[in-house]
Amino acid sequence: DAKTTQPNSMESNEEEPVHLPCNHSTISGTDYIHWYRQLPSQGPEYVIHGLTSNVNNRMASLAIAEDRKSSTLILHRATLRDAAVYYCILRASGGYQKVTFGIGTKLQVIP
Amino acid sequence: NAGVTQTPKFRVLKTGQSMTLLCAQDMNHEYMYWYRQDPGMGLRLIHYSVGEGTTAKGEVPDGYNVSRLKKQNFLLGLESAAPSQTSVYFCASSYSSGAGQPQHFGDGTRLSIL
Repeated sequence: DAKTTQPNSMESNEEEPVHLPCNHSTISGTDYIHWYRQLPSQGPEYVIHGLTSNVNNRMASLAIAEDRKSSTLILHRATLRDAAVYYCILRASGGYQKVTFGIGTKLQVIP
Repeated sequence: NAGVTQTPKFRVLKTGQSMTLLCAQDMNHEYMYWYRQDPGMGLRLIHYSVGEGTTAKGEVPDGYNVSRLKKQNFLLGLESAAPSQTSVYFCASSYSSGAGQPQHFGDGTRLSIL
């Protein structure tokens, strides 16, 4: 499986935008980029995914670099409820592929 | 919206005891998974199922058994619990195995083996 690299932790002020980076230099052409987050004492929660184009949904935006070797999860206005561990994951096409969660980025939101 | 429900939420066992963790999903998903999460190690796949009546091994299957007798339920069994199985267990489901399909997780079962 192609690997991802994320910072261990980040801080953001409440009500400001947050840009969470992810590097995936060995990504293949058919790998999807997924983001999940895990709030304290809860299970992982799907946030967003994309293949090549930038994506928006009600939770966040996903910006994918033109060469696809990196991506950024954008929370437009951080709230205290966004404090969580954020996981960037690659999922390959073709047959069953397990989801591999790394350590992720722990986001702290400062009031 | 129930989604994925895990029971029990907490459990303490003694070494050698057995127990079954239950996962139920109401989204009519074909695929179901069991993960364990340990500090500093991310989530690791124990077993998974691609449909009713089928199961397959994941990364760390030793010491666990699973069954998928009904599409909506996926059971994880510990026949003889060991302290190394102290962990938080998460169940997940997905519509298919497609790379664009998200997995939906339950809130976990916190299991301690003394």
